[in-house]
Amino acid sequence: GEDVEQSLFLSVREGDSSVINCTYTDSSSTYLYWYKQEPGAGLQLLTYIFSNMDMKQDQRLTVLLNKKDKHLSLRIADTQTGDSAIYFCAENGETDNFNKFYFGSGTKLNVKP
Amino acid sequence: DAGVIQSPRHEVTEMGQEVTLRCKPISGHDYLFWYRQTMMRGLELLIYFNNNVPIDDSGMPEDRFSAKMPNASFSTLKIQPSEPRDSAVYFCASTNRGIGNQPQHFGDGTRLSIL
Repeated sequence: GEDVEQSLFLSVREGDSSVINCTYTDSSSTYLYWYKQEPGAGLQLLTYIFSNMDMKQDQRLTVLLNKKDKHLSLRIADTQTGDSAIYFCAENGETDNFNKFYFGSGTKLNVKP
Repeated sequence: DAGVIQSPRHEVTEMGQEVTLRCKPISGHDYLFWYRQTMMRGLELLIYFNNNVPIDDSGMPEDRFSAKMPNASFSTLKIQPSEPRDSAVYFCASTNRGIGNQPQHFGDGTRLSIL
């Protein structure tokens, strides 16, 4: 089955850039997603990228996709303490399971003031 | 627009009791998902429905767990009898299958503690 992997923790200082990495196994994924989970809340969609794109920028967020290496990253510029949360990457399944998402374990981002 | 609504937000009960978690998906969404989140196992998909019909329940842990979707605007996840190892945060999510990107929208979850 599909496998999505992320490192568990990342710690940065306020104002620095954060880069959260993700690897996946299903090369047929159409979209790849980044979700953010704040304490006590559900997962909130941050951004997504279509599989035929290499990069997508959305304000402070930059998503890079290396389809050959099946590697996805999320860069947060000028990281703020409010960015402290758990970040999940996810891919959708193959055609028959297009709406079945496969989530990574989540990366806990800690932003130090 | 209202998002996915789950109730209760918190539930504390003794082992052996029946627990019912509720979810109202976003109006017009035809897919509904139930997830469980724990520190040990992360986010696990338990079951999902399409047009109120269960499509994949391979993630349901055991027969103590059951899920229903009697109509397009309501779903329940029931645990009977409950055990301490069922303690987790349970999320419901919904989406609308269509052309192009259709992300899943999550509720705020039910934090379940079985004593």
